[in-house]
Amino acid sequence: EVQLLESGGGLAQPGGSLRLSCVASGFTFNNHVMTWVRQAPGKGLEWVSTIDHRGGYTYYADSVKGRFTISRDDSKDTLYLQMNSLRGEDTARYYCAKKWAPNVSGQNYFDSWGQGTLVTVSS
Amino acid sequence: EILLTQSPATLSVSPGERATLSCRASQTIYSNLVWYQQTPGQAPRLLISGASTRATGVPARFTGSGSGTEFTLTISSLQSEDFAVYYCQQYTSWPLTFGGGTRVEIK
Repeated sequence: EVQLLESGGGLAQPGGSLRLSCVASGFTFNNHVMTWVRQAPGKGLEWVSTIDHRGGYTYYADSVKGRFTISRDDSKDTLYLQMNSLRGEDTARYYCAKKWAPNVSGQNYFDSWGQGTLVTVSS
Repeated sequence: EILLTQSPATLSVSPGERATLSCRASQTIYSNLVWYQQTPGQAPRLLISGASTRATGVPARFTGSGSGTEFTLTISSLQSEDFAVYYCQQYTSWPLTFGGGTRVEIK
């Protein structure tokens, strides 16, 4: 069974930093593209960032580019999101998600999601 | 950036009735569209990929259709567990984008 367990959320001040983690199990982590998606309270889904299965390619939403960094440690089956220069509009639940299949070009959609970790940015 | 517009924002339907949800893209996305279902307090669940292929374990009452810029998700006979928010997502190009969602509520 695929499991994705996020952690690292909490309260941060504007301008502060947080590092989110997502520990994966139940599949071959190093074969899969991984993604972060967020959801502000009462709002819809927003794609944040994606990293390919080798970690060589990363993609970011314009809203986080230059402030957030996605990375992975395949030896630990763990995905990360380093969030710097946090703003109030970054307040959201952050989900990690697994691409539906390995070794498939494009087709970036997600068949497994964690339960998310809540990030609140407030002074 | 490809914009996805979902309509209606809220759909009130009685159990057993049909629900029809729409997702419109700002430019062609071919068939590169998926639908997710999200129930309160839960993560999204993949329902449909490639505009019309049901994901594993998804009941046959869920049908996806469309291509190009116009897409539809039809739930043929609503069950209690189907009352949720539904999102479309395109994967034709970066950035990946989601529609704003359609809430299906009990009438």
